Amino acid sequence: GQQLNQSPQSMFIQEGEDVSMNCTSSSIFNTWLWYKQDPGEGPVLLIALYKAGELTSNGRLTAQFGITRKDSFLNISASIPSDVGIYFCAGQPIYAGGTSYGKLTFGQGTILTVHP
Amino acid sequence: DSGVTQTPKHLITATGQRVTLRCSPRSGDLSVYWYQQSLDQGLQFLIQYYNGEERAKGNILERFSAQQFPDLHSELNLSSLELGDSALYFCASSAQTQNTEAFFGQGTRLTVV
Repeated sequence: GQQLNQSPQSMFIQEGEDVSMNCTSSSIFNTWLWYKQDPGEGPVLLIALYKAGELTSNGRLTAQFGITRKDSFLNISASIPSDVGIYFCAGQPIYAGGTSYGKLTFGQGTILTVHP
Repeated sequence: DSGVTQTPKHLITATGQRVTLRCSPRSGDLSVYWYQQSLDQGLQFLIQYYNGEERAKGNILERFSAQQFPDLHSELNLSSLELGDSALYFCASSAQTQNTEAFFGQGTRLTVV
């Protein structure tokens, strides 16, 4: 089945530092999404990307849809303690016939720890 | 608050039992997805319904089934439970089948003992 490789698996940073994480796939995706999950909560959508090359920002977060359609990255600038959590990439792959009906494949997550 | 409501929040049951997890999607969303999250498998897609019909299936076990009712709420039924079924089960909803801005509920933590 489809697999997403998300890296790094974990990051320990100081408050104020910038963070970068990425996801790669062996297959072409037509949508990339980035979610954040806090302990005991459901994933919360941060950024959605729909076009190859698209660069989208949401406050201190910036994400890009790779031009090969097989990768995406998420940057967090000037990290703060509340950025702590698990960040997931998710993609909607293209199946034969051109549609995949919204089925999302998730990366394994990046655990972010921010030291004050 | 995502607008997706899942009940119950926690569930503890014995092996061999059957449970039903319930999900109410965001107002107006026709598509409902179920995901399983375990420590070693991450978030795994189980099944999707759109306006009452099954639209996509992931690695859902035969012991598991789901349905979406006319009022668009969905239920995930898990039967003959095994210890390995212990996990977080999330429901997500979106407005359309191919609009993947899916919004997740808070999940049901299932513990099988």
